[in-house]
Amino acid sequence: AQRVTQPEKLLSVFKGAPVELKCNYSYSGSPELFWYVQYSRQRLQLLLRHISRESIKGFTADLNKGETSFHLKKPFAQEEDSAMYYCALRGSGNTPLVFGKGTRLSVIA
Amino acid sequence: GAGVSQSPSNKVTEKGKDVELRCDPISGHTALYWYRQSLGQGLEFLIYFQGNSAPDKSGLPSDRFSAERTGGSVSTLTIQRTQQEDSAVYLCASSLDRAINEQYFGPGTRLTVT
Repeated sequence: AQRVTQPEKLLSVFKGAPVELKCNYSYSGSPELFWYVQYSRQRLQLLLRHISRESIKGFTADLNKGETSFHLKKPFAQEEDSAMYYCALRGSGNTPLVFGKGTRLSVIA
Repeated sequence: GAGVSQSPSNKVTEKGKDVELRCDPISGHTALYWYRQSLGQGLEFLIYFQGNSAPDKSGLPSDRFSAERTGGSVSTLTIQRTQQEDSAVYLCASSLDRAINEQYFGPGTRLTVT
């Protein structure tokens, strides 16, 4: 079975502090992992995917197959980073994404 | 071009009534997905259409839920005999195909069952 766990419902950090949003997954094969973000009053949108190995808005995420994790990190949080973040997994075959329950990030000035 | 659109944006209905929610995907996108976003539950997958293949209905929570996709474009999610626990935001997404799997989401329909 495919499962994505985001252990924190809410994460509050001060502006300029490092932030790490945790994501753990359960999947027997080689998954594709994604982070989606939903800013206030905006649509859910893709932030980054592990296969791209890119940094978007200062965020990075590394797939750790040994720990089955795909934590999202940013060294210096900004107020505009406040949003709902969802980790998602796609297994092999023509399967839809499986999302975690989301973490609300609040960056305090 | 235009993104994914959904209508209505808000729907209030009485318990026991049927509702239809509409999704217009991005033109040319062959894959279409429905999700339910509830407080504290994240995004629950409901149903997935891919081209002319049989839809993946594995996420539908009960037989009161059904969806159609006509002509490979517009999709309608129908909830029969609505219950209060059906209250949620229903999100639609589309993607070009499996190989390019970025899903583009619509704004959602907020359903409130009273």
